[in-house]
Amino acid sequence: DTGVSQDPRHKITKRGQNVTFRCDPISEHNRLYWYRQTLGQGPEFLTYFQNEAQLEKSRLLSDRFSAERPKGSFSTLEIQRTEQGDSAMYLCASSLPSTEVTDTQYFGPGTRLTVL
Amino acid sequence: AQKITQTQPGMFVQEKEAVTLDCTYDTSDPSYGLFWYKQPSSGEMIFLIYQGSYDQQNATEGRYSLNFQKARKSANLVISASQLGDSAMYFCAMRESFSSGSARQLTFGSGTQLTVLP
Repeated sequence: DTGVSQDPRHKITKRGQNVTFRCDPISEHNRLYWYRQTLGQGPEFLTYFQNEAQLEKSRLLSDRFSAERPKGSFSTLEIQRTEQGDSAMYLCASSLPSTEVTDTQYFGPGTRLTVL
Repeated sequence: AQKITQTQPGMFVQEKEAVTLDCTYDTSDPSYGLFWYKQPSSGEMIFLIYQGSYDQQNATEGRYSLNFQKARKSANLVISASQLGDSAMYFCAMRESFSSGSARQLTFGSGTQLTVLP
């Protein structure tokens, strides 16, 4: 399978714990995005990487959240001191270089986080 | 103001019939792209179809077509010959150009849950 992969698929944690999610983009894609989706809503943008550079962060990305993409390949999203409000589906997407608006993002299966 | 509006929380369609899912958008940017994604209960977002703001013709991809009415700022998804496997959540999304000051992210609507009846 050459699509976007995410690990783990499900994560249950207790409030206050740290969690880390991994995303492996499609191999030739240099752009990588993280989104968060809560129940009944569309995904909301969190952050964007071009190669290893984190070029954009949403205001949703509080200082408890950090994302990295070492060497421009896989990416990790860490949430420190989790809160119940962090419970959501975390989606990763990747895309090829393209013009400004035709950039088609391909999504992974997501990591569903439940904070107890 | 909402950038993407999907006014139909839920829709039902009979198998083999066509269905239209509504999407309206709001932007002042002359250059933008509109996307539709399907999200089955498994959670993965599946790309269906793309329409650019400067495209002269409506986009089509197999059984999917996009009814793009630029002046009305609408980009409705038409699914022809519905199948049981089409039952899913459908999201409309927009990407504006850098001139609007946004990054490369997609802005999504709240989705429409489509149920195909046998």
